[in-house]
Amino acid sequence: QVQLHESGPGLVRPSQTLSLTCTVSGVSVSTDGLFWSWIRQQPGKGLEWIGYIFYRGTTHYNPSLKDRVFMSLDMSKNQFSLNLSSVTVADTAVYYCATYDSTSSGWFDPWGPGTLVTVSS
Amino acid sequence: DIQMTQSPSSLSASVGDRVIIACRASQNIAQYLNWYQQKPGKPPKLLIFAASILHNGVPSRFSGAGSGTDFTLTISGLQSDDFASYFCQQSYTVPRTFGLGTKVDIK
Repeated sequence: QVQLHESGPGLVRPSQTLSLTCTVSGVSVSTDGLFWSWIRQQPGKGLEWIGYIFYRGTTHYNPSLKDRVFMSLDMSKNQFSLNLSSVTVADTAVYYCATYDSTSSGWFDPWGPGTLVTVSS
Repeated sequence: DIQMTQSPSSLSASVGDRVIIACRASQNIAQYLNWYQQKPGKPPKLLIFAASILHNGVPSRFSGAGSGTDFTLTISGLQSDDFASYFCQQSYTVPRTFGLGTKVDIK
């Protein structure tokens, strides 16, 4: 059974960098066809795709965030990470990691439980 | 970016009702459309992929239809476990985009 779990600070100061890690179990992050994704949900709002990374190094970022986003992957730990720089209060959200399965038409499944990150001084 | 517009944004229904949620894409996405269910405090769960294919373990009362720009999610015989929010998402191109959701609550 594939499981994902986010970890990282719950509070980040404005202008600093938000850093989160997703630990994957049940499947290798070097599996072909799987993209390792970050999605966020601001309080009371919809879902925003931040981007994803493929084990061969390919990344796709949302253009709305791409100047501030960096994703990496650690195959030895079966983890992937998100860095979001220069955060503001607008970056306060629940951050989810998820598997994007591109082997067919493409979908996000499964998702981690999510972690709330608050940006505040 | 492809904009995904859901309607209604919320609805009230009773157990046993038939519920239909619509999702419209701003451009043709063929059948690259997924539906998710989200309950408060939980992550979304995949219900339907490729517009009409039920994900493993999803009850048959859920069904999806559509292609091109117009899609629907139907719940035939609403159960108490179905009161939740529902989101559509296009997998046609990047950036991946979601609808703003439809909240289904108890009448």
